[in-house]
Amino acid sequence: NAGVTQTPKFQVLKTGQSMTLQCAQDMNHEYMSWYRQDPGMGLRLIHYSVGAGITDQGEVPNGYNVSRSTTEDFPLRLLSAAPSQTSVYFCASSIPPLRRGGQNTGELFFGEGSRLTVL
Amino acid sequence: KNQVEQSPQSLIILEGKNCTLQCNYTVSPFSNLRWYKQDTGRGPVSLTIMTFSENTKSNGRYTATLDADTKQSSLHITASQLSDSASYICVVRANTNAGKSTFGDGTTLTVKP
Repeated sequence: NAGVTQTPKFQVLKTGQSMTLQCAQDMNHEYMSWYRQDPGMGLRLIHYSVGAGITDQGEVPNGYNVSRSTTEDFPLRLLSAAPSQTSVYFCASSIPPLRRGGQNTGELFFGEGSRLTVL
Repeated sequence: KNQVEQSPQSLIILEGKNCTLQCNYTVSPFSNLRWYKQDTGRGPVSLTIMTFSENTKSNGRYTATLDADTKQSSLHITASQLSDSASYICVVRANTNAGKSTFGDGTTLTVKP
């Protein structure tokens, strides 16, 4: 049972380079999201998706793009990396809260994180 | 603005001792509150989930309480173990925006032998 899988686990970029953080889940969850976690701060929502073909911005979307062509995958793209994007990135997925047997839980299942350093 | 405040920011206790972590929130309308445990270098893992009608829930040595009137929650850890050393994150979901949750900054717990 893989759950939520993120790749790569570690990445070093130079300013201006582009890259994609991959996220895949095998639980058939409709909801997926990306967060960044910086020292001394809570998880902040970057982008999220409530289903294939649907994405929306979170709290800190600038500098990041996402797409959701399938239920399983939700890649996060950095088009031109900046040192301010040095962080640990987490992908998460969940069943839509209102569909879990009537229980409004929306429990998030997280990946193991991707540590990105931008020089 | 929806907010979740956790205290203390960090805590050091001796193995075998109990401790209580606090979470105050202003998220409204309230849907549910979750406590997550995040080990160093790992992703957060859910410990407990409570909805409006629940005021206590246990998961082994972890017991969470919720007072929806005062918008406060606590996580009590009994007979702490070295493996309890982690960051504990309080997450509150509003009963509006699909999928968005408000995260606290976490409490870093260190259990020493």
